[in-house]
Amino acid sequence: QKEVEQNSGPLSVPEGAIASLNCTYSDRGSQSFFWYRQYSGKSPELIMSIYSNGDKEDGRFTAQLNKASQYVSLLIRDSQPSDSATYLCAVRGITSGTYKYIFGTGTRLKVLA
Amino acid sequence: EPEVTQTPSHQVTQMGQEVILRCVPISNHLYFYWYRQILGQKVEFLVSFYNNEISEKSEIFDDQFSVERPDGSNFTLKIRSTKLEDSAMYFCASAGALEQYFGPGTRLTVT
Repeated sequence: QKEVEQNSGPLSVPEGAIASLNCTYSDRGSQSFFWYRQYSGKSPELIMSIYSNGDKEDGRFTAQLNKASQYVSLLIRDSQPSDSATYLCAVRGITSGTYKYIFGTGTRLKVLA
Repeated sequence: EPEVTQTPSHQVTQMGQEVILRCVPISNHLYFYWYRQILGQKVEFLVSFYNNEISEKSEIFDDQFSVERPDGSNFTLKIRSTKLEDSAMYFCASAGALEQYFGPGTRLTVT
């Protein structure tokens, strides 16, 4: 069964620090990877997508992909208390002729003021 | 910016009643999904829908559940006879060529 693994946390970092969130996946053929942020009681919000090996930066967020190691990470620079949320890693595969998004259980991030 | 919308935001129903949760996906998207999240737990896949038919469903999506795209814009999830354990947030999502976007969710409370 195709899986996406994340440490559930909580990961606690002080305000202004770099938060590093990690995700591994089992399907070596996966091509598309996503990070979602979910605040308590809200829906997942797409914050980053990455498709090629290497780094992709968007503001304070950097996604990193290593397909050989089947590893995706999200770095949040200058962490703010408002970044406190659960971060979901998702991997897209193809099944039955359509796209399937497989989600990890999420890592809870706490940014301490 | 286009977004997925869902109605109602909160639905309270009695056990055994039928509920219909509604979603309007992003207009040029072709792939549609329903997910469920029980309080404090992970997001669980229920069903995917493409080309006017179910493309995949999970073990959770039993005969009590059905989906429809009745008019080319709305996408509905029906639960025929609700159980207490159906109480959860239900999220609709739609995807284009690459990215999937979630709606705000419907909180279903079964009493």
